[in-house]
Amino acid sequence: NAGVMQNPRHLVRRRGQEARLRCSPMKGHSHVYWYRQLPEEGLKFMVYLQKENIIDESGMPKERFSAEFPKEGPSILRIQQVVRGDSAAYFCASSPSGQGKYGYTFGSGTRLTVV
Amino acid sequence: QKEVEQNSGPLSVPEGAIASLNCTYSDRVSQSFFWYRQYSGKSPELIMSIYSNGDKEDGRFTAQLNKASQYVSLLIRDSQPSDSATYLCAVNKGRGSTLGRLYFGRGTQLTVWP
Repeated sequence: NAGVMQNPRHLVRRRGQEARLRCSPMKGHSHVYWYRQLPEEGLKFMVYLQKENIIDESGMPKERFSAEFPKEGPSILRIQQVVRGDSAAYFCASSPSGQGKYGYTFGSGTRLTVV
Repeated sequence: QKEVEQNSGPLSVPEGAIASLNCTYSDRVSQSFFWYRQYSGKSPELIMSIYSNGDKEDGRFTAQLNKASQYVSLLIRDSQPSDSATYLCAVNKGRGSTLGRLYFGRGTQLTVWP
């Protein structure tokens, strides 16, 4: 029973390149959340998705960032034209319902480094 | 005002002592409360959840909730060096457009020394 799977674990991009982060939720979970964690800071909400729908993207920067969760395949967080400030750990979490009442299970994260 | 506030620490206790971690939240109608443990370089791991006023015990861990004071705490009894980690407090409001969202504090770094 695999948990939340994220890949890649580590990603290095040069400034101006695109970064694509993937997340496969736990089996049976159709709700996906993306969070960003900067060094010495807590987790900041970015976006909440269900299959084929963005439910809440109020935490996403207005430019360069986008997310999707297609009918088939993993959820993708895309960062275009990366800058040094995008360097962070990006965590995906999933839940069986859209309620946060029971907490989430997090994936192992993708550590993005922009050089 | 931040949604969830924690003392960033670091908190340092000797092995065998009780570690006390505290958290306050700003939205009075918040409904669900969580403690996550995060080892350096790893992902957060859910260790406790609490929903009603009072204490909830699980092994060496006790979560305490006081909704009137908007205060959540985590006690770790008989602390072990393996408990050394950052502890994140998280809150779910349980309503509206943020139904599924968890709000996290910045975390308290705990070190248990032998």
